[in-house]
Amino acid sequence: NAGVMQNPRHLVRRRGQEARLRCSPMKGHSHVYWYRQLPEEGLKFMVYLQKENIIDESGMPKERFSAEFPKEGPSILRIQQVVRGDSAAYFCASSLLANYGYTFGSGTRLTVV
Amino acid sequence: DAKTTQPNSMESNEEEPVHLPCNHSTISGTDYIHWYRQLPSQGPEYVIHGLTSNVNNRMASLAIAEDRKSSTLILHRATLRDAAVYYCILRVMEYGNKLVFGAGTILRVKS
Repeated sequence: NAGVMQNPRHLVRRRGQEARLRCSPMKGHSHVYWYRQLPEEGLKFMVYLQKENIIDESGMPKERFSAEFPKEGPSILRIQQVVRGDSAAYFCASSLLANYGYTFGSGTRLTVV
Repeated sequence: DAKTTQPNSMESNEEEPVHLPCNHSTISGTDYIHWYRQLPSQGPEYVIHGLTSNVNNRMASLAIAEDRKSSTLILHRATLRDAAVYYCILRVMEYGNKLVFGAGTILRVKS
């Protein structure tokens, strides 16, 4: 059981480009959560998805950010027209059931230049 | 609003026990107490969780006060690899069961 896999580990984008971050949950887990951690700051919840459905997107910025978790394939966090302030570590977590503990991935470190 | 209060940092000597405190005075009857830790440059890692009774696992112990307004994470023998940020989190229905992280406690372990 490989755990939660995130790729890429590091991503560099120029301002205005799009960033696509992928997360494959643990086998059998249908609940996925995305968090963002800005440099020297804590983890901030972004979005909670359960296969094909967005359950809670209260932490997602209103513009440029979107997330999906299709029936087949990994969950994708998409950031359009990136700006320097989007530079951060983005962590994905999955759980077996909604009230179970989370398993986190190692994160994607996005740098916008 | 993380609803928990933890010291900003603590220091421990290697091979000694560490007691990490957490206050959660607004806890309600259905809120679970979760602990996670984050090692440098890594994602958070589940440590332990509990509701009312004390809990033990291979990583740590969780001691929960009788009134549930506070809890303590106990590392029985700290090692250098235990140096991390430790987060005490209330899993509350109000938040849709999602984990809301606070600032945590930075644990430094001296050799």
